[in-house]
Amino acid sequence: GAGVSQSPSNKVTEKGKDVELRCDPISGHTALYWYRQSLGQGLEFLIYFQGNSAPDKSGLPSDRFSAERTGGSVSTLTIQRTQQEDSAVYLCASTRVGVYEQYFGPGTRLTVT
Amino acid sequence: GIQVEQSPPDLILQEGANSTLRCNFSDSVNNLQWFHQNPWGQLINLFYIPSGTKQNGRLSATTVATERYSLLYISSSQTTDSGVYFCAVRYGGSQGNLIFGKGTKLSVKP
Repeated sequence: GAGVSQSPSNKVTEKGKDVELRCDPISGHTALYWYRQSLGQGLEFLIYFQGNSAPDKSGLPSDRFSAERTGGSVSTLTIQRTQQEDSAVYLCASTRVGVYEQYFGPGTRLTVT
Repeated sequence: GIQVEQSPPDLILQEGANSTLRCNFSDSVNNLQWFHQNPWGQLINLFYIPSGTKQNGRLSATTVATERYSLLYISSSQTTDSGVYFCAVRYGGSQGNLIFGKGTKLSVKP
């Protein structure tokens, strides 16, 4: 496919469990972003990867959140010891160097019970 | 950091009506995008418009960067236009993330 893909589309987990969310950016896009949208809230930035540079982690809300990007392509966002306030839609976006327009995936809806 | 304000927060229209959505931002930007979030949560790119005017069908957008605002025009609205419209900007000195406004929720009634 030509767009950003994310998996799973929906995830229900129990409080205290760890979860992994996956993002597959558009081929050739070197920049990758994670955002989240909580119920009734706007979109907030979490983390940004650009090529081989150190990621910008300034938006991560706590040390329970981490992300990695392997081979400059696929990224995984990990949330450890999930809490109910982590329930949100997690969105991934990508873009090419020198092109500022960001393209978003369909998101993963995370529900922590 | 840069502030993004959208107005109005909610808008109800009758099908066929026109509307204008506004986005004000507090600093210089190198990226401004308008998105439509559909009922399934997908963010659909409408315009990449850090300056100038663009048109795509019934939608058009204008950004006046020197005055730090952007407008999204929807003409002859349809029920399928319903959803939330987001404006997002990137600070002029940044290479990183977008900062989103809180959105305008549009409801188009048949």
